[in-house]
Amino acid sequence: EVQLVESGGGLVQPGRSLRLSCAASGFTFDDYAMHWVRQAPGKGLEWVSGISWNSGRIGYADSVKGRFTISRDNAKNSLYLQMNSLRAEDTALYYCAKDSRAIAAAVSWFDPWGQGTLVTVSS
Amino acid sequence: QSVLTQPPSASGTPGQRVTISCSGSSSNIGSNYVYWYQHLPGTAPKVLIYKNTQRPSGVPDRFSGSKSGTSASLAISGLRSEDEADYYCAAWDDSLSGPVFGGGTKLTVL
Repeated sequence: EVQLVESGGGLVQPGRSLRLSCAASGFTFDDYAMHWVRQAPGKGLEWVSGISWNSGRIGYADSVKGRFTISRDNAKNSLYLQMNSLRAEDTALYYCAKDSRAIAAAVSWFDPWGQGTLVTVSS
Repeated sequence: QSVLTQPPSASGTPGQRVTISCSGSSSNIGSNYVYWYQHLPGTAPKVLIYKNTQRPSGVPDRFSGSKSGTSASLAISGLRSEDEADYYCAAWDDSLSGPVFGGGTKLTVL
C-alpha cells in the first residue's frame, strides 16, 4: 500500500524557519516526481512546489519562491520542504503528494496524498 | 483568488444529478488536461478524474468529467450522502509552469 506520512509541522514565529518531511513507502520512490500542496484555514488547495524523480527539475509557486526549498533523498525515500522567512499567510495544512510520472507535467496528477502536517505562523 | 474559478457551493438531494463547473483560460484548461479531486473532511484529497474524462480504478462511474474550450465540468449522478465533500479542479498552467487549482466547491447532499 502506498503511504505518505508528513511530519515537522508546528507553531513558529514570523520570520523563522521550519523543515517539513514526508516519508514514502509502498512504491519505488525514485520513479516519481513529488509535490507539496497546502491548504490555508478555510481556503482551497494551493500547489507549493514540485521536484522531479532525480531532482533535476524543480518548480515553486510565486508565493514561496525564494523562501522555500524542496529537496528529496531517494536513498531514504523522503521528501523535504525547507521553509524560511515564514509569514502569517504561510499558515496551512501542508500535504505531500506523489506525482503520476517521473517529471511533473500537464499529463500528470497527484495520487495519492498524505494526511498533512499543520504549520502555524504566529507570534 | 484561485487561477481556476469554481462555484463555492453546490447541493442536491439523494439520487439527483449535480454538476460542478470550472472555468480557466487558454494557458491552463484551454491547452491542458483537467483533473478533479475529492476532499472529504479530515482525509487526504483523492483523484476522481484525470485527463479530462478518465476515472481511476475504484471510482464509481457515477462520477464523470468533461471539458470544452477553457471550461470543464464534473458531473455526479445518483447522488449519495457519502458524496458530501469539497471538490477541486486542477490543470497545468503553461504561463506559471506549474499546476493550478480551483477554489473548491463544497457539495452538500440535502
